[in-house]
Amino acid sequence: DARVTQTPRHKVTEMGQEVTMRCQPILGHNTVFWYRQTMMQGLELLAYFRNRAPLDDSGMPKDRFSAEMPDATLATLKIQPSEPRDSAVYFCASVQGARTGELFFGEGSRLTVL
Amino acid sequence: GQNIDQPTEMTATEGAIVQINCTYQTSGFNGLFWYQQHAGEAPTFLSYNVLDGLEEKGRFSSFLSRSKGYSYLLLKELQMKDSASYLCAVRGGGRSSASKIIFGSGTRLSIRP
Repeated sequence: DARVTQTPRHKVTEMGQEVTMRCQPILGHNTVFWYRQTMMQGLELLAYFRNRAPLDDSGMPKDRFSAEMPDATLATLKIQPSEPRDSAVYFCASVQGARTGELFFGEGSRLTVL
Repeated sequence: GQNIDQPTEMTATEGAIVQINCTYQTSGFNGLFWYQQHAGEAPTFLSYNVLDGLEEKGRFSSFLSRSKGYSYLLLKELQMKDSASYLCAVRGGGRSSASKIIFGSGTRLSIRP
């Protein structure tokens, strides 16, 4: 049963701490997205990769957020230092092709920064 | 830039029909998605339209007009479990944004008995 896997599912941390979220896309999917969802903003696109190369990270606060794909089976989103306004659910999603196909979502990582 | 608009909230009655509209303005276009999201869960795929017209899938149908930048999701024979948020999303076009998929803010649908 192919699915996108995200860890951790829940994270509570204190302001100033580093947070790393991980995503394993579906095998064979070459495009990976990171979204952030809050009640106020809905689903915001933070960054996305095709064939492990970053295509667009304009939605990400550059000073504290970074996204990478060390290999085809792992995408990471790092926040350093974290702030209370970063509290949200972070979703990873993957799709097989560049122009076609359904976007599959992971279960999300719920982050709370105190 | 890209802009996607859909109503914030809608209410409908069990057994009835509801239509959720979505308008978009994007730099290029390579398809429009509808997703369903229950509270506390991840979005799940409902439909994908690339060409103009109506796509029917069981109780759900989705319509697209590319010239008008308009889509709707039609839900028939509403059930209580259809209470959820419905997200409209557009895949951009052009060389630099071929893969970019942007979501609207979602429409929260409440079904009353």
